[in-house]
Amino acid sequence: EAGVAQSPRYKIIEKRQSVAFWCNPISGHATLYWYQQILGQGPKLLIQFQNNGVVDDSQLPKDRFSAERLKGVDSTLKIQPAKLEDSAVYLCASSVVGDPGIEQYFGPGTRLTVT
Amino acid sequence: DQQVKQNSPSLSVQEGRISILNCDYTNSMFDYFLWYKKYPAEGPTFLISISSIKDKNEDGRFTVFLNKSAKHLSLHIVPSQPGDSAVYFCAASGGSQGNLIFGKGTKLSVKP
Repeated sequence: EAGVAQSPRYKIIEKRQSVAFWCNPISGHATLYWYQQILGQGPKLLIQFQNNGVVDDSQLPKDRFSAERLKGVDSTLKIQPAKLEDSAVYLCASSVVGDPGIEQYFGPGTRLTVT
Repeated sequence: DQQVKQNSPSLSVQEGRISILNCDYTNSMFDYFLWYKKYPAEGPTFLISISSIKDKNEDGRFTVFLNKSAKHLSLHIVPSQPGDSAVYFCAASGGSQGNLIFGKGTKLSVKP
């Protein structure tokens, strides 16, 4: 079974530029998550999708971050414009359902460096 | 304010000995607790979980203990192997949604 795929793996941009990340979850997984992991911290949830609907985006900085999950499969996360503090690893995860305690499968992440 | 705390940034253990990783939480509404292991340049991988109705869950060399009154859980690895060297994250979830609240992680080094 293929795992969660993410691209690109690394991205370096200047502040105020835009960037987009792509995620392809495990086939059949209804729930998709985007996490932000800053160096030395644990992952922090940005947004949770159930199929193509948003379940929780309370910690998404909506003035600069946006995410979509068209057709309930792939998802993209966009930052526009980027700030220095956005430098982090962006992790995508998926699970069969979005219930508490259900195992989430993580992709390898995209390491973003904003200069 | 951190709801899930891992107060030891690092732990070094000799191969064959027991590794004990600790985690404290503040939110009594958490129903499930999960441990994830992370190697460099990879995403976290699920290791073991426990629900709040249990106080122990075992899977091979890995055992998680939950003390609800103390709001504390621990992961025991016996015997520790060099391949266990990684960063271990404690995570919790609760309520109606599955989103996880992670601790900062503990870096385990198992020396041959």
